[in-house]
Amino acid sequence: KQEVTQIPAALSVPEGENLVLNCSFTDSAIYNLQWFRQDPGKGLTSLLLIQSSQREQTSGRLNASLDKSSGRSTLYIAASQPGDSATYLCAVPWGGKLIFGQGTELSVKP
Amino acid sequence: NAGVTQTPKFRVLKTGQSMTLLCAQDMNHEYMYWYRQDPGMGLRLIHYSVGEGTTAKGEVPDGYNVSRLKKQNFLLGLESAAPSQTSVYFCASSYSLGSYEQYFGPGTRLTVT
Repeated sequence: KQEVTQIPAALSVPEGENLVLNCSFTDSAIYNLQWFRQDPGKGLTSLLLIQSSQREQTSGRLNASLDKSSGRSTLYIAASQPGDSATYLCAVPWGGKLIFGQGTELSVKP
Repeated sequence: NAGVTQTPKFRVLKTGQSMTLLCAQDMNHEYMYWYRQDPGMGLRLIHYSVGEGTTAKGEVPDGYNVSRLKKQNFLLGLESAAPSQTSVYFCASSYSLGSYEQYFGPGTRLTVT
């Protein structure tokens, strides 16, 4: 059974800090891993998708890495801004569906 | 290109009432999904469809029915609403499950009293 875990559940940082969000999964036989952002009361916005053959994906200040052998992915956010405040979720496709982590709620203080 | 849209955005139902949530996508995606999101439970898959005319059960299908009569639309029905179905419902679509991104709609907030 695939389980996805995100630590920490919540994170508060001052503006300008670089930060790392963690995602771990129990079954390394994945096609890809997707990172999403969810603002309060809103839907999920796809940030990055890393294919199983890739090690990293970058989009602006975001960098996601994938280490299948250790069952881990990290989302690195550089020079954080208050507008980055949201919940970040990772998910992997498994058994015909996406398995989501519980999310990390990020708060960036001005 | 509107992406994935959901109707309605908000709804309040009384126990026992029925309703249908509509999801529409304009990306010609084969796969469509219905999730519910509850505090502390995360996102859970209710039903999904791998193509027009097909549906399949997800993790929490009880109390819900779905139909995919047209490729672009995926309907979620509640025949007899219960307070336990109070939740935020998200629809999503993707080209396929394996290597492609899922795109989500804005959600429907449903309260059953």
